[in-house]
Amino acid sequence: DAGVIQSPRHEVTEMGQEVTLRCKPISGHNSLFWYRQTMMRGLELLIYFNNNVPIDDSGMPEDRFSAKMPNASFSTLKIQPSEPRDSAVYFCASSPPPSGYNEQFFGPGTRLTVL
Amino acid sequence: AQSVTQLDSHVSVSEGTPVLLRCNYSSSYSPSLFWYVQHPNKGLQLLLKYTSAATLVKGINGFEAEFKKSETSFHLTKPSAHMSDAAEYFCVVSDGYNNDMRFGAGTRLTVKP
Repeated sequence: DAGVIQSPRHEVTEMGQEVTLRCKPISGHNSLFWYRQTMMRGLELLIYFNNNVPIDDSGMPEDRFSAKMPNASFSTLKIQPSEPRDSAVYFCASSPPPSGYNEQFFGPGTRLTVL
Repeated sequence: AQSVTQLDSHVSVSEGTPVLLRCNYSSSYSPSLFWYVQHPNKGLQLLLKYTSAATLVKGINGFEAEFKKSETSFHLTKPSAHMSDAAEYFCVVSDGYNNDMRFGAGTRLTVKP
């Protein structure tokens, strides 16, 4: 299995631009998670989906952030407009059923730099 | 709601000496507990997990952890540190009910030659 796939691995953009991060979970996994990691705040859960449905988005920092999961094999996290404080490593993770009892498998992350 | 506290933000050991990374948890349900490792510029990798089976859990790379309900602890140990163990370690608790996993703040392990 290829594991969780994230793209791009690195993204450098200017303030105000739209950024889209992509994630392909492991086949057969029905839960998908987006995290953000920074030195200041550590690892933060942004949102998670179960069977393609957003279950908890309380970690999404503000309206500039949105996430979608149109099907079981693809999810996006969009930031518009981007700001320098959004610079972080964004991780996607997936988990097989039954939810809550199984470990999450993490992708390699996308390092976002907003200038 | 569950929570997890990693008692040390940074641990430094010499190569060949034992490793102890401490984790205390709080949970209203019978928890599932995990340890993840993150090497520099890498994603998180599962080391081991406890899900109400044997209280002593063995993981990859010689690590193990013991679930102690009376102490609400899940400390990670390794008898002999290797240079390649230098990384950030995260303790995680899940109530197994609604996919709510809570990560600790992490412990950075440094291994000195």
